[in-house]
Amino acid sequence: ETGVTQTPRHLVMGMTNKKSLKCEQHLGHNAMYWYKQSAKKPLELMFVYNFKEQTENNSVPSRFSPECPNSSHLFLHLHTLQPEDSALYLCASSQETTARGRLSSGNTIYFGEGSWLTVV
Amino acid sequence: GQQLNQSPQSMFIQEGEDVSMNCTSSSIFNTWLWYKQDPGEGPVLLIALYKAGELTSNGRLTAQFGITRKDSFLNISASIPSDVGIYFCAGQGSGAGSYQLTFGKGTKLSVIP
Repeated sequence: ETGVTQTPRHLVMGMTNKKSLKCEQHLGHNAMYWYKQSAKKPLELMFVYNFKEQTENNSVPSRFSPECPNSSHLFLHLHTLQPEDSALYLCASSQETTARGRLSSGNTIYFGEGSWLTVV
Repeated sequence: GQQLNQSPQSMFIQEGEDVSMNCTSSSIFNTWLWYKQDPGEGPVLLIALYKAGELTSNGRLTAQFGITRKDSFLNISASIPSDVGIYFCAGQGSGAGSYQLTFGKGTKLSVIP
């Protein structure tokens, strides 16, 4: 139990569907992240939110749309995805970040258990 | 962007043996983090390092932040079956454009009972 909860844990969706992934952190952190993990690739940062403001969008296609209503909740809205978008999507949080998502000294990132997404 | 070379990619060891894995970078890092990921789960933080030369232990795990600030290693002593999983290093650089964590590709550890 890392204090970062993701739902659903597994999701299968068609290419024309609209679905959302949800993340909630119970750690009192102010920064939240979405990462994508594909087979045989390093973790890829997608989005960073710091105090509810998006500070980083790593050239992510617009079919992925994040939403951060408050510092404890983060959503990833999915629309017209492609089969190659199938992956493990990981949410993470940290105390806060400096400009552009940099961890301040003594800070670290805690991950949720991930949401397995399959696009058919 | 920055790249991390993590090695080895995979290891098969006998229960009770010690394990060593490392990450190297072409650029200087200010932070090194080591994570373990079990199948179907998210990465769990094992050890965080913030200072060159820092040596930190967490039970049977020991990690060090290299003096050159371009490498880090993780050692596991007296391995047990539950050590099985994928171990990731992650580093954060100091220069402009290096604000995000860079992750290694992982070391897959298998422990033979």
